[in-house]
Amino acid sequence: AQSVTQLDSQVPVFEEAPVELRCNYSSSVSVYLFWYVQYPNQGLQLLLKYLSGSTLVKGINGFEAEFNKSQTSFHLRKPSVHISDTAEYFCAVSEGGNKLVFGAGTILRVKS
Amino acid sequence: GAVVSQHPSRVICKSGTSVKIECRSLDFQATTMFWYRQFPKQSLMLMATSNEGSKATYEQGVEKDKFLINHASLTLSTLTVTSAHPEDSSFYICSARDSEGLAGAYEQYFGPGTRLTVT
Repeated sequence: AQSVTQLDSQVPVFEEAPVELRCNYSSSVSVYLFWYVQYPNQGLQLLLKYLSGSTLVKGINGFEAEFNKSQTSFHLRKPSVHISDTAEYFCAVSEGGNKLVFGAGTILRVKS
Repeated sequence: GAVVSQHPSRVICKSGTSVKIECRSLDFQATTMFWYRQFPKQSLMLMATSNEGSKATYEQGVEKDKFLINHASLTLSTLTVTSAHPEDSSFYICSARDSEGLAGAYEQYFGPGTRLTVT
């Protein structure tokens, strides 16, 4: 069975600093990986996805993530965060493109 | 493109009544839609997979007679919470998968969510 672990429940960071949100997954087969962002009382917005090909994936709002098969990781990074990046971020995995399994989420708090 | 709407955004109902939540894909067709539930400060838990023209597939532990799902068209799925109780209060989010878009074949587009409060 698939599972997703987001190691940090909250990540505080100062504005314009770099940030990394960690995500590890477990699966016995090839997977598709996603990062979503959720603002308060809203649905989820896709930041980026890995389906195949290049392991470095670039997404919206300056975010990128790297798929590391040997470490079963898909960490999300941004070189310089903005106040508006404050939100909750969810890593998700899908086997075969069907249902998504989400991690517990990481709240990113950007401080000025 | 790829917009999913939900209605209502918020609903308050009395214990024992039923509530219907609609999920629509506005600019694409979706043979498959998903219903999630999210408790405060927690992740999304998949409740069921809704397939157009057939019965929904429920996740283990989800009561199918309590959470009725109907996917009558390629752009609309509904979730009805029957005989609602306070413990059903939650944030319900739907998503839809684009049936025809190759680039988004494995991507789910999420609605804005519905906040249900049962008093």
